[in-house]
Amino acid sequence: QLQLQESGPGLVKPSETLSLSCTVSGGAISSSDHYWVWIRQPPGKGLEWIGSIYYIGGTFYNPSLKSRVTISLDSSKSQFSLDLSSVTAADTAVYYCARALRGTFRYSVDYWGHGTLVTVSS
Amino acid sequence: QSVLTQPPSVSGAPGQRVTISCTGSDSNIGTGYDVHWYQQLPGTAPKLLMFGTTHRPSGVPDRFSGSKSGPSASLAITGLQAEDEADYYCQSYDNSLSAWVFGGGTKLTVL
Repeated sequence: QLQLQESGPGLVKPSETLSLSCTVSGGAISSSDHYWVWIRQPPGKGLEWIGSIYYIGGTFYNPSLKSRVTISLDSSKSQFSLDLSSVTAADTAVYYCARALRGTFRYSVDYWGHGTLVTVSS
Repeated sequence: QSVLTQPPSVSGAPGQRVTISCTGSDSNIGTGYDVHWYQQLPGTAPKLLMFGTTHRPSGVPDRFSGSKSGPSASLAITGLQAEDEADYYCQSYDNSLSAWVFGGGTKLTVL
């Protein structure tokens, strides 16, 4: 059974960079059939796609966040990571790492991590 | 403002049928991109409920069904149960934004 686990600081200061990692177990991160995805959910609000990466290295970012986001993948560690720079209070959210399909039924997110709350505050 | 529009809330009594709409446009659902639905129980991560508009993952009861017509999609739940009380989100792809897009979410209350 595939499992994803987010890790990283729960508190980030305004203007700094939010950095999270996601460790994948129970399945291969080096799969050409899947995207590895970051999605966030501000408290009491809906879901927002941040960006995606797949093993060969293609990355796709939400245009509204593109200037501040970097997603990378380290297959040797079975991890993928999120960096979000110049954060403000509006970036306070639960951040989920997840897996989505690349082929048929593209973009459906079939596995999710439990999520980690990141608060932006001084 | 979400690209995909969902009603903020719906409700129904146990045993009843409810539907949740997801209205998009010609740059997402209307142009043929798949619609996927997620169920989020309180305090938990979302769970894939329906993929490719009409397909249920293993373990999802057949009380849940999906459909699409033009730029809109719907999720129907029959035989409503207390355990169905949750937030529901639709998702698709928008080619004018080049982005994966979610609806704003619908809170289902079982009366």
